[in-house]
Amino acid sequence: AQSVTQLGSHVSVSEGALVLLRCNYSSSVPPYLFWYVQYPNQGLQLLLKYTTGATLVKGINGFEAEFKKSETSFHLTKPSAHMSDAAEYFCAVSDRGGSYIPTFGRGTSLIVHP
Amino acid sequence: NAGVTQTPKFRVLKTGQSMTLLCAQDMNHEYMYWYRQDPGMGLRLIHYSVGEGTTAKGEVPDGYNVSRLKKQNFLLGLESAAPSQTSVYFCASYSLAGGSYNEQFFGPGTRLTVL
Repeated sequence: AQSVTQLGSHVSVSEGALVLLRCNYSSSVPPYLFWYVQYPNQGLQLLLKYTTGATLVKGINGFEAEFKKSETSFHLTKPSAHMSDAAEYFCAVSDRGGSYIPTFGRGTSLIVHP
Repeated sequence: NAGVTQTPKFRVLKTGQSMTLLCAQDMNHEYMYWYRQDPGMGLRLIHYSVGEGTTAKGEVPDGYNVSRLKKQNFLLGLESAAPSQTSVYFCASYSLAGGSYNEQFFGPGTRLTVL
């Protein structure tokens, strides 16, 4: 069974600072990897995903993530935080066997200070 | 397209009451899911459906029932609500089309309080 670990339930940054949200997965075969964002009182929406090919994936709103097989990681970064980035971020993985049942991490709340 | 919609948005129940949450999607997606979101717990899968007329249990199915009589609708029922079912409930859908792995589409959520 696969699992997802998001280090830090809360991450606090200043506006303009680097954002780094960590995600590690446990799977015998590299899975499909996703980052979703949830703004207050809304559902989740996709930020970016890795399925195959280039390991550095660019998403919406200036976010990107890099798949590192050797580290079983898929960390999310953004060079310069904006106040509007304050939200809950979820990492999710899904195996390549066709079950289409993702496993979600517990989420990281990003707090952006002015 | 409306995407994924959920009805109602908010509900307060008393212990022992029953209710049904409705999820509708207009994207012709094959898969549909019900999750609950609790602080610090992330999203936990309650039930899911891989097509019209089929349902399956997820991680936390106890106390819930589901039905998918039509492809576009996925109903979540609570027969006898308990305070432990106080949560935010999200519906999601997924399309098998496209060849590569697609993302899930989520509804706006239903905030349920059981007193």
